[in-house]
Amino acid sequence: QEHLQESGPGLVKPSETLSLTCTVSGGSISPYYWSWLRQPPGKGLEWIAYISYNGRTNSNPSLKTRVTISIDRSKNQFSLKLSSVIAADTAVYFCARHRDSGMDVWGQGTTVTVSS
Amino acid sequence: QSALTQPASVSGSPGQSITISCTGTSSDVGDYNYVSWYQQHPGKAPKLMIYDVTERPSGDSNRFSGSKSGNTASLTISGLQAEDEADYYCSSYTSSDILVFGGGTKLTVL
Repeated sequence: QEHLQESGPGLVKPSETLSLTCTVSGGSISPYYWSWLRQPPGKGLEWIAYISYNGRTNSNPSLKTRVTISIDRSKNQFSLKLSSVIAADTAVYFCARHRDSGMDVWGQGTTVTVSS
Repeated sequence: QSALTQPASVSGSPGQSITISCTGTSSDVGDYNYVSWYQQHPGKAPKLMIYDVTERPSGDSNRFSGSKSGNTASLTISGLQAEDEADYYCSSYTSSDILVFGGGTKLTVL
């Protein structure tokens, strides 16, 4: 049974870069697509970006200029960097695996707060 | 404002059926059979309930079904149970090969 675990700082200062890693265990990072999503407190889900096992990426146009997504197949990990964060970036961040048109395996989520 | 439009809330009594709608455009829901539905209980990660408009993950309850007509997709839950009380989100791929979500629907089991 595949398991995803998000990791990274829970507190980031405004204007700095948020960095998160998702570690895939119990399975291989190939041949899937992988996504980062977030959910601000009390609000709905927002897709941030996806990356394929061989590095193809796409991201939410509203975040595109600030988002970098990368993959390390040797470590079975993929990562998110979100630059120039503001308070509105405060959210629970999830990583997830794509299967067909859905995301069938999710991490438990990690809370990131943007505050000085 | 979300790209896909869902009702903010729906409710039903145990044993009844309810339907949640998800309205998009001809650039997402209307043009692709790539709609999925997620259930989310408070403080938990979302769970995939339906993908490719009508498909259910193996082993999941057949009380959940999906459909689509034009630019609107729907999730139907039959034989409503207390454990179905949760937030539900629809999602679709778009012509730009990105993902969009609905704003979410809170289901209350009376």
